Amino acid sequence: DAKTTQPTSMDCAEGRAANLPCNHSTISGNEYVYWYRQIHSQGPQYIIHGLKNNETNEMASLIITEDRKSSTLILPHATLRDTAVYYCIVRANTGGFKTIFGAGTRLFVKA
Amino acid sequence: DGGITQSPKYLFRKEGQNVTLSCEQNLNHDAMYWYRQDPGQGLRLIYYSQIVNDFQKGDIAEGYSVSREKKESFPLTVTSAQKNPTAFYLCASSIGTLNNEQFFGPGTRLTVL
Repeated sequence: DAKTTQPTSMDCAEGRAANLPCNHSTISGNEYVYWYRQIHSQGPQYIIHGLKNNETNEMASLIITEDRKSSTLILPHATLRDTAVYYCIVRANTGGFKTIFGAGTRLFVKA
Repeated sequence: DGGITQSPKYLFRKEGQNVTLSCEQNLNHDAMYWYRQDPGQGLRLIYYSQIVNDFQKGDIAEGYSVSREKKESFPLTVTSAQKNPTAFYLCASSIGTLNNEQFFGPGTRLTVL
């Protein structure tokens, strides 16, 4: 599975959009980009995933560059409750299993 | 409500004792997983199971054992052979391993004294 690189931490003002970047320059053609988040001392929560098209759901939007080497998770109107560690993961939806959760980005939403 | 439960939330054990962490899901998911998380770090895969009566080692299986006798249950035993057992343990499940949308339990924080 491809490796991802994320900034260690980011700040965002409450009510503003939070844009979290992820680099995955070695991504393969059959690998999806997944995003999870983990609020302190809780289990991670699935947010969104995509292959090459941009995706949007009730929580966030995922923008994947045309060459698929990077992506951005967008929280359109960040709230204090969005303060968490955000993990970007790439993996193929094929048999066998190993998902690598790196250290992620710690997002601080400030009032 | 459907979901994954882990119990207990906090667990204390003396060094040298085996301890079993519970994980139950009522989502009718085939696949279940165990992860370990150390402070300030990401998750590392211990074991996973794609189907009842089958399980595979993850990246850090040494010192751990699992069983999958029922679809709903995937208990993890931390044995005395695990050198640094104090950690936050997370259980997850998914419809299958072909789908990486995993649902996580609340976790068990194990402290070995």
